[in-house]
Amino acid sequence: DTEVTQTPKHLVMGMTNKKSLKCEQHMGHRAMYWYKQKAKKPPELMFVYSYEKLSINESVPSRFSPECPNSSLLNLHLHALQPEDSALYLCASSQDGASYNEQFFGPGTRLTVL
Amino acid sequence: RKEVEQDPGPFNVPEGATVAFNCTYSNSASQSFFWYRQDCRKEPKLLMSVYSSGNEDGRFTAQLNRASQYISLLIRDSKLSDSATYLCVVNFNKFYFGSGTKLNVKP
Repeated sequence: DTEVTQTPKHLVMGMTNKKSLKCEQHMGHRAMYWYKQKAKKPPELMFVYSYEKLSINESVPSRFSPECPNSSLLNLHLHALQPEDSALYLCASSQDGASYNEQFFGPGTRLTVL
Repeated sequence: RKEVEQDPGPFNVPEGATVAFNCTYSNSASQSFFWYRQDCRKEPKLLMSVYSSGNEDGRFTAQLNRASQYISLLIRDSKLSDSATYLCVVNFNKFYFGSGTKLNVKP
């Protein structure tokens, strides 16, 4: 099973709302990732968790707050977002953080900030 | 200079054609290489890893040239269903994505 699941599929929120994106994998992977993708652009890395510890933060604004409750789950908490944060948010996982491991992506959450 | 560069296309080809994409990378210490396929408004899906000796999976062949720092993807006998954006990905401590090459296969 190479499935990564994400909820919700779509999310519309106002700039004062607080919401969370969820990601789950049951492949026993120990590295998980958040990416942001704007239309016609490649995914941009936001955060990497390796063995449930945050290992990379690509200078993401603090209005995005990641959380890794356990090895299967990854959350992205959103607060006071801006309209330019509207994008497809992709979660991915890999066996571990080693460079030769492929990443498997979830279907994404399409976020619209009004 | 971008870490990974791809021709954005689009490549418009008829069914049955052979099409090749190239991708160059800037960091000679890059450790692993992949091709992903992304359909419109969907997530990237792993097409194939790229090995030093080259590798083939059905109609798809990937090559790596470390000396010239490029990877390639060859698609033979193109199908309508091959229409997508193909992302070149290079790993050096993290994944670096090319901007993608759009392929349109026409009937």
